[in-house]
Amino acid sequence: GENVEQHPSTLSVQEGDSAVIKCTYSDSASNYFPWYKQELGKRPQLIIDIRSNVGEKKDQRIAVTLNKTAKHFSLHITETQPEDSAVYFCAASSYTGKLIFGQGTTLQVKP
Amino acid sequence: EAGVVQSPRYKIIEKKQPVAFWCNPISGHNTLYWYLQNLGQGPELLIRYENEEAVDDSQLPKDRFSAERLKGVDSTLKIQPAELGDSAVYLCASSLDSGSEQYFGPGTRLTVT
Repeated sequence: GENVEQHPSTLSVQEGDSAVIKCTYSDSASNYFPWYKQELGKRPQLIIDIRSNVGEKKDQRIAVTLNKTAKHFSLHITETQPEDSAVYFCAASSYTGKLIFGQGTTLQVKP
Repeated sequence: EAGVVQSPRYKIIEKKQPVAFWCNPISGHNTLYWYLQNLGQGPELLIRYENEEAVDDSQLPKDRFSAERLKGVDSTLKIQPAELGDSAVYLCASSLDSGSEQYFGPGTRLTVT
């Protein structure tokens, strides 16, 4: 069935360093790939997304890349700050809108 | 613009009791989703509505779970009877249509004792 694998499960970086989170998906019909940030006890918040007709999208310190051939997509955060600490989820969906989420990555940014 | 609203935020019940969760989506959003999020895991879809119609309820345990979205706006998710394993956060999300960005509510944290 549909599946999204996310790595690593935990990531610790020094403030100012970059962080990269990677996901792979199984459904070749997937065409929409959002990333959500979830702070403890809070709702998942959409931080960036990409559709299958582009390979890269950037928004200030956050960027997402997509390789449809390999069924990989990644989140890149540059110049990390302590407030970036949270759990990050990748997800994939096809035209149905059913989001399949990865298992989450706990990012810790050390000051 | 108001976001997705859910109530209650927290609920503690004893097993075998019924419980209901309410969701008010973002105004104008036709698609509404109910997700289940267990601790340390990503959300999992329970049911998706397009207006009043449940178009994907394949993951909803229909023996004890039910949902409705009357008039295509607010939605209610019910569990009867609740089991210990139902303890989780129940998230509601909405989008303009099934291909658009999904925005989540704050969730209802259910504890079944």
